[in-house]
Amino acid sequence: AQKVTQAQTEISVVEKEDVTLDCVYETRDTTYYLFWYKQPPSGELVFLIRRNSFDEQNEISGRYSWNFQKSTSSFNFTITASQVVDSAVYFCALTIQGAQKLVFGQGTRLTINP
Amino acid sequence: DTAVSQTPKYLVTQMGNDKSIKCEQNLGHDTMYWYKQDSKKFLKIMFSYNNKELIINETVPNRFSPKSPDKAHLNLHINSLELGDSAVYFCASSQGREYEQYFGPGTRLTVT
Repeated sequence: AQKVTQAQTEISVVEKEDVTLDCVYETRDTTYYLFWYKQPPSGELVFLIRRNSFDEQNEISGRYSWNFQKSTSSFNFTITASQVVDSAVYFCALTIQGAQKLVFGQGTRLTINP
Repeated sequence: DTAVSQTPKYLVTQMGNDKSIKCEQNLGHDTMYWYKQDSKKFLKIMFSYNNKELIINETVPNRFSPKSPDKAHLNLHINSLELGDSAVYFCASSQGREYEQYFGPGTRLTVT
């Protein structure tokens, strides 16, 4: 069975600080896909990134970056120079080849204070 | 313009009633899903459909019955509503099994 653990339930930082959200996953499959989603206070779920298990290259998109390490089964998400608009619940998710469902972590509530 | 839409956005009803939530996607995807988000924000798959065919029924009570009239629509009907059904229900779609899923705005169901 697949499992995703986001050990940080809540994080609170001051604006402009860098913050890293941790994600650890479990699967016995060799082909799998990892995702991050953002859920702002308005409630919708916004797709941020998808990464397959064969691509360990780190990804950067503006102030967002993702570090995928198969050796530690982690897919961490860093926000650089955080802004108040980054305040949201962030979910890490996993699917395996052919599964047709996402397994979500518990989510990390990130609060950016002005 | 909305990629995945759900109606209604809010649903307040009494125990024992029957209600439906509608979902439509205009992304041309052939895979659609229903997820439930509980009060602690935990998200769990309920159903997944591929080309109108049920693929996953994740031990959901029989009171929940999804219906997919075509690839662009996946509706959720709930019979005999219970207090524990109160949650936010999200519809989603994707272009394939391992691709990113795009979510609707959610339907907040409150059973009193």
